[in-house]
Amino acid sequence: GEDVEQSLFLSVREGDSSVINCTYTDSSSTYLYWYKQEPGAGLQLLTYIFSNMDMKQDQRLTVLLNKKDKHLSLRIADTQTGDSAIYFCAEIPNTGTASKLTFGTGTRLQVTL
Amino acid sequence: SAVISQKPSRDICQRGTSLTIQCQVDSQVTMMFWYRQQPGQSLTLIATANQGSEATYESGFVIDKFPISRPNLTFSTLTVSNMSPEDSSIYLCSARVGGGGYGYTFGSGTRLTVV
Repeated sequence: GEDVEQSLFLSVREGDSSVINCTYTDSSSTYLYWYKQEPGAGLQLLTYIFSNMDMKQDQRLTVLLNKKDKHLSLRIADTQTGDSAIYFCAEIPNTGTASKLTFGTGTRLQVTL
Repeated sequence: SAVISQKPSRDICQRGTSLTIQCQVDSQVTMMFWYRQQPGQSLTLIATANQGSEATYESGFVIDKFPISRPNLTFSTLTVSNMSPEDSSIYLCSARVGGGGYGYTFGSGTRLTVV
């Protein structure tokens, strides 16, 4: 089946904006999520967007959703070294099996000085 | 949101042995999930565990290899049986703790190395 696709790696300079992109599989997914995984740690929910929204802003984070293209993006403003981590997008596909998250391939964000 | 305590955080095990991973949620939840994250990879769902019924396994995962218990609404265990080096991964539990966008919380993971 299709995978939830993300680019593998992104490098940005401290203070710049980061944009992490995701192409998901199911246009009927209700919620789409962004998680952060720091080295040696579990997953931290950063933000989510409901499918009837085009954009959601939460402090330094902006999520954009293009349902037609099944494209999701996460913009981090004023990126800091503490933002260095792996970022996963996730969806709940409408497959008939309740409530299971399907994760993207993950994007490793490296923030340089 | 809920907090999940997962243990052990890491372990090094001999091949052929078994390891049981525990997750404790600080509130009652209906659905818990177990994931595997192989080195450098994304998360793959192993099974969904509901209290009072057998776990539902995803394609490629079987109960004999990954038995799961769900004795109550706050606790679950995953056992990795008859381990081989290919089982070296991070194992994470997750719980759906409410509706809407805040539904899913994760434990801190168990880093398993099989030698």
